[in-house]
Amino acid sequence: NAGVTQTPKFQVLKTGQSMTLQCAQDMNHNSMYWYRQDPGMGLRLIYYSASEGTTDKGEVPNGYNVSRLNKREFSLRLESAAPSQTSVYFCASRAGVGGLSYEQYFGPGTRLTVT
Amino acid sequence: SQQGEEDPQALSIQEGENATMNCSYKTSINNLQWYRQNSGRGLVHLILIRSNEREKHSGRLRVTLDTSKKSSSLLITASRAADTASYFCATVPPGSGNTGKLIFGQGTTLQVKP
Repeated sequence: NAGVTQTPKFQVLKTGQSMTLQCAQDMNHNSMYWYRQDPGMGLRLIYYSASEGTTDKGEVPNGYNVSRLNKREFSLRLESAAPSQTSVYFCASRAGVGGLSYEQYFGPGTRLTVT
Repeated sequence: SQQGEEDPQALSIQEGENATMNCSYKTSINNLQWYRQNSGRGLVHLILIRSNEREKHSGRLRVTLDTSKKSSSLLITASRAADTASYFCATVPPGSGNTGKLIFGQGTTLQVKP
């Protein structure tokens, strides 16, 4: 039982390049989330998927797109990377049964640098 | 915008001492959670307190919630070097439905010296 896995762990991009961050969970959770963490800023929600087949914007969605590929997988795409997107990206999941389970489980993160 | 503000931003104590971290938030909430993040790792859920609860315990952790002051505190008793980490509060605002969206504070970095 691996929990939440993310690939890659590290990535360096040049401005304008594109890439997809992958996230998968093996806990049969309904909801999945993408956050970014910048120094002194805590975590900010980029996009989330409350259930398979749905996605919604979070606090800072500009410059990103997401795909909920199936119940297990939720990917984050940067179409044209910018230096402002240099950050650590975390994926998380939540059981989401009946609205009573609020605990989120986090992946180990992807450290992205855009030069 | 960030929902929570945490105080202090950094805290350094000796092993065996107690550590107290505070979180203030802006809007009414359904519940408030505390998470720990070890350096270079993802966040780990510690404890959840609902809006109708005032205090909750889990092992060496004690969380209080004062909804009238829109604030919460996390107390770690008899701290250990392994408690060195960043601690974040997170809130679930009303109206979130079943989305489970969390709004995180900026965190408190705790250093426990052996």
